[in-house]
Amino acid sequence: DQQVKQNSPSLSVQEGRISILNCDYTNSMFDYFLWYKKYPAEGPTFLISISSIKDKNEDGRFTVFLNKSAKHLSLHIVPSQPGDSAVYFCAASGGSNYKLTFGKGTLLTVNP
Amino acid sequence: GAGVSQSPSNKVTEKGKDVELRCDPISGHTALYWYRQSLGQGLEFLIYFQGNSAPDKSGLPSDRFSAERTGGSVSTLTIQRTQQEDSAVYLCASSSYLEDEQYFGPGTRLTVT
Repeated sequence: DQQVKQNSPSLSVQEGRISILNCDYTNSMFDYFLWYKKYPAEGPTFLISISSIKDKNEDGRFTVFLNKSAKHLSLHIVPSQPGDSAVYFCAASGGSNYKLTFGKGTLLTVNP
Repeated sequence: GAGVSQSPSNKVTEKGKDVELRCDPISGHTALYWYRQSLGQGLEFLIYFQGNSAPDKSGLPSDRFSAERTGGSVSTLTIQRTQQEDSAVYLCASSSYLEDEQYFGPGTRLTVT
């Protein structure tokens, strides 16, 4: 069973507009959530994270929102840039469970 | 500083052969993780090391898979009698004791023919 789901395999946006990537989870033990970005032939790169005690975390153009009651989080990128084009993975961990559970990823394409 | 490195970057092997994949974590990182990504899938946890011990091997898909870590640094993932379903990108990550973020290497793409 997939505990972390990214239901959109791909997303295309225009440069300068907002990109919204979504992620849903089922395991209520998850209390820490991360977004990773991955370029082809490279490993995932940590982007931003959020603890379950918060509902928003912002870092420059990137903001992550957490809705615990809906078991949903989203990553907002604004303004989007062509260099943001990559696969974005949502990941979660919980309690003393250090291992990350990943979604299948969303391919973001930002068009100039 | 240097990031996580993995070798080889690509490995093609015949079904039934053994392979060894190597990971050099970030210096000073006590935790080391192995994941794999099969085509069209997310990253799948394999094994976790804290220092030289592996308190969680629950993700290893079969007893053909094993891993070790020596000197609290380099780790080797060994796959014996490889099968075609073992074809995937094998990713290593490390983290410091106080951090939750894991830092990934570039991966080893394994193809079993």
